[in-house]
Amino acid sequence: DAKTTQPPSMDCAEGRAANLPCNHSTISGNEYVYWYRQIHSQGPQYIIHGLKNNETNEMASLIITEDRKSSTLILPHATLRDTAVYYCIVRLHTGGFKTIFGAGTRLFVKA
Amino acid sequence: EAGVVQSPRYKIIEKKQPVAFWCNPISGHNTLYWYLQNLGQGPELLIRYENEEAVDDSQLPKDRFSAERLKGVDSTLKIQPAELGDSAVYLCASSLVGTEQFFGPGTRLTVL
Repeated sequence: DAKTTQPPSMDCAEGRAANLPCNHSTISGNEYVYWYRQIHSQGPQYIIHGLKNNETNEMASLIITEDRKSSTLILPHATLRDTAVYYCIVRLHTGGFKTIFGAGTRLFVKA
Repeated sequence: EAGVVQSPRYKIIEKKQPVAFWCNPISGHNTLYWYLQNLGQGPELLIRYENEEAVDDSQLPKDRFSAERLKGVDSTLKIQPAELGDSAVYLCASSLVGTEQFFGPGTRLTVL
């Protein structure tokens, strides 16, 4: 399974958009990009996933480059409650898939 | 809808003692996962079940760790005997096949 590279930490001002990058240059054609976040002392929480096209839900938007080697998670209006560790994962949907979490990006949203 | 339930939330034991963690997945979820999370790191998969079958236990230290998922619903993860290095958060997650995982709050284990 492909691995991902994320910056260890980022800051964002409250109310502004938070753009979290992820590199997955060895992603294979049938692997999806997933994003989870983990707020302190809680289990990880699913945010969004995509294969090729950009995706949007009530929590965030996912922008995947045309070559699929990188992606960006966008929190359009960050709040203090969005302070968390964000994990970018690539995995298959079926078969012998593994969900490999890296160290993630620690996002600090500041007032 | 109830989420993934784990118990206990916290456990403190002395080294060489046994310990067990329990997980009740979301109703209808046939896939269940156990992860270990060390401080400052992402979760690491220990074992994945599809129904009753352990389909990936390659990362489970089988000399001291064991898991079971009887009847394909609840699951128990056991450590015997516990070592100091086992201190971590143990996370359980569940999903339908091929979909996103829903995580429980975890059990924080401290081995003294």
